[in-house]
Amino acid sequence: GAVVSQHPSWVICKSGTSVKIECRSLDFQATTMFWYRQFPKQSLMLMATSNEGSKATYEQGVEKDKFLINHASLTLSTLTVTSAHPEDSSFYICSARGQGTLTEAFFGQGTRLTVV
Amino acid sequence: AQSVTQLDSQVPVFEEAPVELRCNYSSSVSVYLFWYVQYPNQGLQLLLKYLSGSTLVESINGFEAEFNKSQTSFHLRKPSVHISDTAEYFCAVSQLRDGKVTFGTGTKLQVIP
Repeated sequence: GAVVSQHPSWVICKSGTSVKIECRSLDFQATTMFWYRQFPKQSLMLMATSNEGSKATYEQGVEKDKFLINHASLTLSTLTVTSAHPEDSSFYICSARGQGTLTEAFFGQGTRLTVV
Repeated sequence: AQSVTQLDSQVPVFEEAPVELRCNYSSSVSVYLFWYVQYPNQGLQLLLKYLSGSTLVESINGFEAEFNKSQTSFHLRKPSVHISDTAEYFCAVSQLRDGKVTFGTGTKLQVIP
């Protein structure tokens, strides 16, 4: 199967700082990437969908100015949590989907963000 | 719109006993179906998936799931569980068209020695 690499796997940052998470498709071109968030003891919820070269589409309730998503190339998407606060502490995971209309998405291993 | 229902939030089972984790889905269009496993403090691992073809799919560690279109179900089963199977299991669906994945709320499998 296709490989999606997410970096870092965990990060601790101070409140008020920004954190960037990278999601890379290693062996295929990802025309679409998805970002999910999992709060403790909860399921994963879709935050946003990004298509290469286009602005991301955010799900209802997700602040686009706080969670900046860039999908500048067919193999890399980044999620930047700006001015992070303790309530942003969560598990963030990306998935990537290749070209074509009948392809599944492949998940990265996730990033655990802790804001102190 | 699509949705996934995992009725059981926790399932305790004795080691070497069989287990079934239930999953029902709702979608107006054709979907892919997945089971993911998440071990404590780790990421998601794909356990098995149904894309098309045979409705019974198997994983390398003894789990299997059967796609039942009439009952809109994709229950996960294992005939004999091991301590190492203790984890949280997520059922998920994805529409063929857009690739968005909708997850169920998860079932924690607790294998008791």
